Amino acid sequence: KAGVTQTPRYLIKTRGQQVTLSCSPISGHRSVSWYQQTPGQGLQFLFEYFSETQRNKGNFPGRFSGRQFSNSRSEMNVSTLELGDSALYLCASSLGDSLNYEQYFGPGTRLTVT
Amino acid sequence: AQSVTQPDIHITVSEGASLELRCNYSYGATPYLFWYVQSPGQGLQLLLKYFSGDTLVQGIKGFEAEFKRSQSSFNLRKPSVHWSDAAEYFCAVGASVKTSYDKVIFGPGTSLSVIP
Repeated sequence: KAGVTQTPRYLIKTRGQQVTLSCSPISGHRSVSWYQQTPGQGLQFLFEYFSETQRNKGNFPGRFSGRQFSNSRSEMNVSTLELGDSALYLCASSLGDSLNYEQYFGPGTRLTVT
Repeated sequence: AQSVTQPDIHITVSEGASLELRCNYSYGATPYLFWYVQSPGQGLQLLLKYFSGDTLVQGIKGFEAEFKRSQSSFNLRKPSVHWSDAAEYFCAVGASVKTSYDKVIFGPGTSLSVIP
């Protein structure tokens, strides 16, 4: 069974631009969660989607948004990029909610904002 | 809201030695507790988790962790470390009651180096 895939793996953007990251969960998994990982802040929860509905969200500004499609694939978007948005963005999928079901993480998308 | 602390930023152990990584959490109710490992260039992998029941939890790769409610701790242990265990280890806590901003919260991580 294929693991969680994230595209692109690396991305360089300029301040003020927007970016869309994609996550394809493991087949059969209905929940997708997004995390931001930085050296200073560590791993921070962004949001979780289940069956196309946002179930929970972390403490991030409205510039960060996401969605989930009927095939469970998910995208996250960051508008008006700031230097501080440079991070590794991780996506995790699970059969059900991320508390009761094991999360499987993708390799991440490394975003650099210049 | 829940929080997680990992007091040790970096630990170095000799191969074959025992290992204990510390984790302390703050949460009012019974927490969901996790340990994840992140090897260089790889994604996070779940080592073990605790929801309820036996406070000593066995995980993959020979790891175990013990939940101690009185100390608000969930320390990770391994009796004999292998060179391949060198990685970043994250403790995480989850809320059992769904709120807008409580979810699986990760600690800052402990970097483990293994010397031959």
